Amino acid sequence: QSALTQPASVSGSPGQSITISCTGTSSDVGGYNYVSWYQQHPGTAPKLMIYAVTTRPSGVSYRFSGSKSGNTASLTISGLQAEDEADYYCSSYTRGSNLIFGGGTKVTVL
Amino acid sequence: QVQLVQSGAEVKKPGASVKISCKASGYTFTNYAVHWVRLAPGQTLEWMGWINPDNDNTNYSPKFQGRVTFTRDTSASTAYMELSSLRSEDTAVYFCARGFELSTSCHPWGQGTLVTVSS
Repeated sequence: QSALTQPASVSGSPGQSITISCTGTSSDVGGYNYVSWYQQHPGTAPKLMIYAVTTRPSGVSYRFSGSKSGNTASLTISGLQAEDEADYYCSSYTRGSNLIFGGGTKVTVL
Repeated sequence: QVQLVQSGAEVKKPGASVKISCKASGYTFTNYAVHWVRLAPGQTLEWMGWINPDNDNTNYSPKFQGRVTFTRDTSASTAYMELSSLRSEDTAVYFCARGFELSTSCHPWGQGTLVTVSS
């Protein structure tokens, strides 16, 4: 099964909002409300930012929000800050209790 | 707090096997699945599968089926991942992570274990 499709890179200036897309199929993103988003800074472990499409775990900034339409999920970062510069990965639950990740998006704060 | 601590870096020759440990603390080990995910250089996160520490059930990604084995020691709150027939493409950082939200996501993650496969 191929990875979910994400843009390779997205950039924005401090204070701006950016959106990262994550496109799958009806067998994963479109078929379940179990899309997650992870943030990974270089040399560290991924950190869960959004789960179940729209829910933020305790301690995650309100500036991060998730949504989904059809086979495409999105992560929006509002009020972009320097500390948001990192790699972001989406994942989705798939049939058979499996998970699948996206190709990853490098976010650059200009 | 919930924490997963993994074993240290490994260097292996092609054809060998590697076994990584993941010690859980701060929660009841048998109440949550443990996922294994790897990140190879220049690649994306790759899900390998999960183990249910309560009943020892496992679910392997088709890509790794037959080459990976998940085990656990409930008395030590520790999960293990063994990957056999190593090749250079298996050089990666391997992470364990606790299943979250009915195991549809991963949270939190271990610190990662670098496995280098080189002759």
